[in-house]
Amino acid sequence: ETGVTQTPRHLVMGMTNKKSLKCEQHLGHNAMYWYKQSAKKPLELMFVYNFKEQTENNSVPSRFSPECPNSSHLFLHLHTLQPEDSALYLCASSAQDRRNSGNTIYFGEGSWLTVV
Amino acid sequence: TQLLEQSPQFLSIQEGENLTVYCNSSSVFSSLQWYRQEPGEGPVLLVTVVTGGEVKKLKRLTFQFGDARKDSSLHITAAQPGDTGLYLCAGTGYSGAGSYQLTFGKGTKLSVIP
Repeated sequence: ETGVTQTPRHLVMGMTNKKSLKCEQHLGHNAMYWYKQSAKKPLELMFVYNFKEQTENNSVPSRFSPECPNSSHLFLHLHTLQPEDSALYLCASSAQDRRNSGNTIYFGEGSWLTVV
Repeated sequence: TQLLEQSPQFLSIQEGENLTVYCNSSSVFSSLQWYRQEPGEGPVLLVTVVTGGEVKKLKRLTFQFGDARKDSSLHITAAQPGDTGLYLCAGTGYSGAGSYQLTFGKGTKLSVIP
């Protein structure tokens, strides 16, 4: 139990579906992240939110749409994905101030996404 | 761009053996974290090191941060099957304009055979 909870843990969706991944952190952190983990690749940072504001979008295709309604919740909305988007999507949080001082991040258990 | 090279990429050893995993870079990091990830799960933080030359121990695991804060090692003594997993290092480095970035290595996949 890391204090970062992701749902669903497993998701299978068709290329025309719309689905969302949810993340909630109970650590009182101010920054939240979405990472993508594919086989044989390093963890890829997708989005960063600091105090609910998006501070980084790492050239992620628009079929991935993040939403951060408050510092404790983060969503990743998925629409018209491709099979190559199948991966483990990890949410993380950290106690990070607006200057992005790089504190240690804590991960959720991940959401396994399969696009068929 | 800051890069972290982890070696070896794969390691398969017998229970009871010792091993060392390395994390190297040409960049200086303000801190470095080690994570362990089991299949189908998210990475779990093992340790954060912040001072050059720092050594931290977690039961049979010994972590060292290089004097120049460019590299780190993880040594496991008397490996157990429960140590099996993907070990990731991640470094926090200054990327300019008052901001920092976190860089992950590709990981070392460890298998401990009973």
